[in-house]
Order: sequence, then C-alpha cells, then structure tokens
Amino acid sequence: DQQVKQNSPSLSVQEGRISILNCDYTNSMFDYFLWYKKYPAEGPTFLISISSIKDKNEDGRFTVFLNKSAKHLSLHIVPSQPGDSAVYFCAAKGSSNTGKLIFGQGTTLQVKP
Amino acid sequence: DSGVTQTPKHLITATGQRVTLRCSPRSGDLSVYWYQQSLDQGLQFLIQYYNGEERAKGNILERFSAQQFPDLHSELNLSSLELGDSALYFCASSVEYEGSGANVLTFGAGSRLTVL
Repeated sequence: DQQVKQNSPSLSVQEGRISILNCDYTNSMFDYFLWYKKYPAEGPTFLISISSIKDKNEDGRFTVFLNKSAKHLSLHIVPSQPGDSAVYFCAAKGSSNTGKLIFGQGTTLQVKP
Repeated sequence: DSGVTQTPKHLITATGQRVTLRCSPRSGDLSVYWYQQSLDQGLQFLIQYYNGEERAKGNILERFSAQQFPDLHSELNLSSLELGDSALYFCASSVEYEGSGANVLTFGAGSRLTVL
C-alpha cells in the first residue's frame, strides 16, 4: 500500500523557469510533509517541510503548497537552476509516537541550461 | 558531510551469505532509522531505534535484523542473502522520535549491496 505517491518519474525544465513537483498521499493522519533532494552517490538531504495545519511554506526559491482536501502537495522551484538537477523525494510523517518518514518513489528533475 | 557515517560504502557478496552494515548517527541524535532503496524504488522504511530500543518496524524481512548499541551506533544484519536484496541501504538519524515537529532525518551516504 503506497501511502505517498509521486506519479511523475521525471521532469525536465529550462533554466530560469519554474519547476513543479507533485506528491499525493492517502493517509489523512499525516501531520508533517517534507521534501528531500538526492544527488547521485549521496544520501537524501532535507529541503523544506510543511505542517498539515499550513497551506504554504516558503524558503528562498523553494515553496511547498499543501491541499489537504485533495491530499496533494507540490514543490515549486523558482527560478530553476542547473544545480537543482537531482531526485526529489516527498515524505510524510504520522502523528504517532514514532518519527519515521514514509517516502514517495521520487521524481528526477533535470534543469537544462 | 551530513554527520551520519555508514560503512562499508560498497559491498559485493554471494547469495546465501551474511553481511553487516554499520551506521554512526550524527552527534547528539538518539534515533536511528534504516531504509532500503531498490532499483527505481523509493525509500522503504525498515526499522527505527531510539536510545537502544526498537521503536518502529516497517517491511523488514525476517532474514534481516538490527540493533542499536549503548554508544548509539547501529548495525543492520542481512542473512541468507538473495539476488533481490541488492539495493542501497540508508541509515538516518534524528534528535527525537516524539510526535511533535517535522522530525527532520539526516541521512548517511548509503551502503550499496550487490548480491551475485
């Protein structure tokens, strides 16, 4: 049962344009959502998070939007840079007493110069 | 350098063998998590420890086991290895496991296991 889904395996955008990465989830008990970025031969690194009581969180070029009614979140990167080329994972945390994160399958973003 | 150290980085072994993957968490972090990433798959949660005690279990096979030692480092033991166990194994750590906050996990660089 895939509770967190990233339905687009890959995305290609031009440098300077907006990148939009999408994520859907099924469990309404998730209380936090996180985005991680992963370069080859490295571990995932934390990018940005959002609480389930918010609908938007912004950090520099990165903004995450949460639509609870649709059980959907998205990561916007503006403007996109070639260095943003990586695999992006969406993750969710439940409100139980364990801090484990449930990850989506990842979306590979390629930003072309 | 994330502060989470995983060894070995690469490991090649044969079916039926047993291997041990080691993880040293970031200084001050009490929780350790193990994840598996198979080809074209997301990160699958295996198991979590907090201060030496098991806290949560995911889709971890019975052939796999883990523990967290008093110095907080953790080991993941994989036995009777099969071809399908070939994957990247990531360790992550965090300060706490309680329900409050986003609980950002810090990941190591991973151990790539190849079973031939």
